[in-house]
Amino acid sequence: GAGVSQSPSNKVTEKGKDVELRCDPISGHTALYWYRQRLGQGLEFLIYFQGNSAPDKSGLPSDRFSAERTGESVSTLTIQRTQQEDSAVYLCASSQQGNYGYTFGSGTRLTVV
Amino acid sequence: SQQGEEDPQALSIQEGENATMNCSYKTSINNLQWYRQNSGRGLVHLILIRSNEREKHSGRLRVTLDTSKKSSSLLITASRAADTASYFCGAGGTSYGKLTFGQGTILTVHP
Repeated sequence: GAGVSQSPSNKVTEKGKDVELRCDPISGHTALYWYRQRLGQGLEFLIYFQGNSAPDKSGLPSDRFSAERTGESVSTLTIQRTQQEDSAVYLCASSQQGNYGYTFGSGTRLTVV
Repeated sequence: SQQGEEDPQALSIQEGENATMNCSYKTSINNLQWYRQNSGRGLVHLILIRSNEREKHSGRLRVTLDTSKKSSSLLITASRAADTASYFCGAGGTSYGKLTFGQGTILTVHP
C-alpha cells in the first residue's frame, strides 16, 4: 500500500483480556518499529524488526508483550492479560534499512477498562 | 533517560511569527529527525539531518545541529494556523535507525 496501515484504529478491552494489534508496513521497507505513546507523553520504543527477526526488543515493558513479523511484511503486537496502564496509542513505523525517515501509521488507540 | 528532549514544552504565537523549538540529546548520534503530530495520532516526517551536517532547509523549515552541544533546533518561519501541532525530535544513535524521542513541543499558532 501507499502508507503504513494499522488496525484496529480503536480498541476497547476489558482488563485481563488479550489484544492483537496489526501493522502493515510500506512494501519493501525492511525495518519496522513499534512505539507506545501514553496521553500527553512522548513516544516510547518497544521493538524493532529487521526483516522477520527482532534484534532489539529492549523496550517491551513486560513478558505480557510480544510481537512477530511474517513474510517481511505484516507485524502483530500482542498484549496478554491487559492492564489499565497498557492504555495508550500504539504506533507502528517502517523505513528503508538503516537511518532513514520513518513513515508512521495512524496508530491504534487501546483503552483498557 | 530520554535521548531527545524538546524545549519549550509549549509555544503559543501569532500567525506570521517564527517558531523555534529546541532539542537536546545525550549520546552520540548518526542523525536527528523532526516529526509533526496532529491530534495525537501518526507522526509525519519533516526533516532529517545527519551528524556531519550543520544546517538543513526544507520550505519554511530550517534545522540546525550542533553535535558539540548535543542540540538541534527547528525553526518554522512565517507560521500559519495549520502549523498548530506537536513537534518531536528523534535522535538516531544506532546503525539500524532506532529513534529515541522526547516529550515534544506543543505549538499553537493563533490566526
